[in-house]
Amino acid sequence: GAGVSQSPSNKVTEKGKDVELRCDPISGHTALYWYRQSLGQGLEFLIYFQGNSAPDKSGLPSDRFSAERTGGSVSTLTIQRTQQEDSAVYLCASSLEVAAYEQYFGPGTRLTVT
Amino acid sequence: AQSVTQLDSQVPVFEEAPVELRCNYSSSVSVYLFWYVQYPNQGLQLLLKYLSGSTLVKGINGFEAEFNKSQTSFHLRKPSVHISDTAEYFCAVRTAGFQKLVFGTGTRLLVSP
Repeated sequence: GAGVSQSPSNKVTEKGKDVELRCDPISGHTALYWYRQSLGQGLEFLIYFQGNSAPDKSGLPSDRFSAERTGGSVSTLTIQRTQQEDSAVYLCASSLEVAAYEQYFGPGTRLTVT
Repeated sequence: AQSVTQLDSQVPVFEEAPVELRCNYSSSVSVYLFWYVQYPNQGLQLLLKYLSGSTLVKGINGFEAEFNKSQTSFHLRKPSVHISDTAEYFCAVRTAGFQKLVFGTGTRLLVSP
């Protein structure tokens, strides 16, 4: 079946602009996770959703970052007033449920802030 | 706080040679351990996981790992590597009761003919 998909695959934006990154989890997966992969920080957790609620937002780096999930499916990660340090690959993952151990990752969105 | 250490940033090896990628973690509570592989311009793929039970875990593509609680290690091994194993390998830990994965910095495995 279809895996986790993310769009766009690449995004170049100017400093100060807002961007939205989209994640479509595997159908039927109730848990959804966002991670960020950057040269300086490696792979870091941002936020996870159980259904439409986000019990753990502890990894969001600043209040410029927000995420939502609607209908227990698609999730959008929004970065406002982008900065150069936001340049990274943003990875989304989903799992059948929060208690499930295997997280399935999407291909990521490469964000470049110029 | 949890942390994962992958001491080797890069491991060069010849095709058909054995390889070991090292991973150490720090946690005082029950943990679940994972190895993921990332091929260029792709997402992460799960190689294997340790949840409980037998400390020797076998995964896909001929990889295996051994959980050593006393040494807080979870090293990844393969007895004979192929060119196609060239990729970045990430060790990750998840603490019982928490959902997020904490990753190591990755080890780039370079297999040459």
